[in-house]
Amino acid sequence: SYVLTQPPSVSVAPGQTARITCGGNNIGSKSVHWYQQKPGQAPVLVVYDDIDRPSGIPERFSGSNSGKMATLTISRVEAGDEADYYCQVWDSSSALFGGGTKLTVL
Amino acid sequence: EVQLVESGGGSVQPGGSLRLSCAASGFTFRSYAMSWVRQAPGKGLEWVSAISGSGGYTYYGDSVKGRFTVSRDNSKNTLYLQINSLRAEDTAVYYCAKDRVPVPATAFGSWGQGTLVTISS
Repeated sequence: SYVLTQPPSVSVAPGQTARITCGGNNIGSKSVHWYQQKPGQAPVLVVYDDIDRPSGIPERFSGSNSGKMATLTISRVEAGDEADYYCQVWDSSSALFGGGTKLTVL
Repeated sequence: EVQLVESGGGSVQPGGSLRLSCAASGFTFRSYAMSWVRQAPGKGLEWVSAISGSGGYTYYGDSVKGRFTVSRDNSKNTLYLQINSLRAEDTAVYYCAKDRVPVPATAFGSWGQGTLVTISS
């Protein structure tokens, strides 16, 4: 079965750029979606279809996807960006999530 | 504004059953696929099940196939999840989530606040 691999944690200082990766076999051929989840809250979609942002999501959030890796990039990181981030794809009529990455803002 | 409100969670003994509901508003319910996603305490997200906008197509994760049944009543704008033969590992917050198209294939653009299901003897 298809597996999505994310690093458990990423740390970044305020104002810097955070990059969260999502690896999968030929993931570049799939549409990748990214969610932000803060403690005690439901997930929020931040990037869909590799590169698009829902309305209300800051331009600081961007995505890319090629080959075996998709990446969520958060520019000019703020304290409020500290959260868990999950990538997601569809494979064989099943939705799959990566294991999640905890973003810590130092 | 899209609103999804789950209900029906609670504490159940192993082997028991529950029916979860998700009341939807703010959009044309029948035009969108819906999914259930769960999250065990301290763990990541796990997709459970999906249903097409018409209700004619259903999909399940391997861990729940044969025990869970997803359905919807488009006249009541409500999504359901019947969960049977509950196990300790089914303990989780269950979220309903709205797809962006009529078939389960894209991102989950909106989520409910979740309902907690606890399996305990």
